[in-house]
Amino acid sequence: NAGVTQTPKFQVLKTGQSMTLQCAQDMNHNSMYWYRQDPGMGLRLIYYSASEGTTDKGEVPNGYNVSRLNKREFSLRLESAAPSQTSVYFCASSETLTGYYGYTFGSGTRLTVV
Amino acid sequence: DQQVKQNSPSLSVQEGRISILNCDYTNSMFDYFLWYKKYPAEGPTFLISISSIKDKNEDGRFTVFLNKSAKHLSLHIVPSQPGDSAVYFCAASAVVNNDMRFGAGTRLTVKP
Repeated sequence: NAGVTQTPKFQVLKTGQSMTLQCAQDMNHNSMYWYRQDPGMGLRLIYYSASEGTTDKGEVPNGYNVSRLNKREFSLRLESAAPSQTSVYFCASSETLTGYYGYTFGSGTRLTVV
Repeated sequence: DQQVKQNSPSLSVQEGRISILNCDYTNSMFDYFLWYKKYPAEGPTFLISISSIKDKNEDGRFTVFLNKSAKHLSLHIVPSQPGDSAVYFCAASAVVNNDMRFGAGTRLTVKP
């Protein structure tokens, strides 16, 4: 099925460990995004990539890095995980940045940092 | 700063009746407003959007109303069905900064 694929679906990390969340889309979308969802907070934008080769900070970028590997793939890296990064992470893509036609989201990665 | 607010964490309605979900925003620069639906263990799914130059947009059972002067939008679902039970997120986007902001969500339960 066409869409956005995220791996892994679940992960438990110890404080200070690093990991990379993977995201791939097969809809030939130009723009890709990483969001985190916390209880009572809605979704907050971490980083986005308007097009292949570009990345920009969102609302909550501290503690994260991203790589737009090619048009299909956009990864999120936690260099030194902290308990405050316990969250559900969603990757999304869209044809254009304006988002009027909505973003297509992956099913999420549930990350727990202990 | 929460620029998009959904003040009702939950809403319960009877099947066949109207569901009205509300959303308020503070940033007058928003150009587009959207509603997403989310089932457990899935990502949000785009439902309907409206441009800031319009006050109403319909798609089947779903209608979004925008009141710019009040900085308020609402989603009407008529008639409500049990399959509509989900968390609904309101979102807003400004072309100038490419930052789509989301509300905290409202959990809708439609009872048979």
